[in-house]
Amino acid sequence: ILNVEQSPQSLHVQEGDSTNFTCSFPSSNFYALHWYRWETAKSPEALFVMTLNGDEKKKGRISATLNTKEGYSYLYIKGSQPEDSATYLCAFLIQGAQKLVFGQGTRLTINP
Amino acid sequence: GAGVSQTPSNKVTEKGKYVELRCDPISGHTALYWYRQSLGQGPEFLIYFQGTGAADDSGLPNDRFFAVRPEGSVSTLKIQRTERGDSAVYLCASSFLAGGYNEQFFGPGTRLTVL
Repeated sequence: ILNVEQSPQSLHVQEGDSTNFTCSFPSSNFYALHWYRWETAKSPEALFVMTLNGDEKKKGRISATLNTKEGYSYLYIKGSQPEDSATYLCAFLIQGAQKLVFGQGTRLTINP
Repeated sequence: GAGVSQTPSNKVTEKGKYVELRCDPISGHTALYWYRQSLGQGPEFLIYFQGTGAADDSGLPNDRFFAVRPEGSVSTLKIQRTERGDSAVYLCASSFLAGGYNEQFFGPGTRLTVL
């Protein structure tokens, strides 16, 4: 059974502060790691698809890193804004499969 | 362009009833996926279609769950004899082609509540 773990499960951050959280996944048969942002009552929105060990990707104030050898990815948010409040999901794609295996998510709340 | 749409957005039903949940994928996407998110958990895979055929239904929890995609576009997830444990958000996603790094585009989900 594939196990994808995210920590922490929830996080409260003051507006303007930076934050980060973790996704851990199996290091064998890795193919890709997806990060999604899911705001209440909206569709999960794709942030990054990460495929190579050492990958670093950036989109505005959000960035992510990937370590496939040790099986973890970090998501960083710089200068948090209220609109960053959402659940952040990571999802692991095993080689040869089509289904995404999700972590339980990190629920981020930005306090104004 | 239009994204993935799902109807209804909310469904409340009684234990033992039959429900159908509908998904309209992005036009031209050949692969379609169903996931279920129960409270406090991440989305869990149910089934995926490549075209009209179910390519992997290993995530369907039991034979009360069934899904179809008769014309390779719209899909319907059908749940018979609903149970309280079926209460969850049912997410649909589509992708242009299965394979590659498989970026999936999600709909907003249907929240199913079984009383």
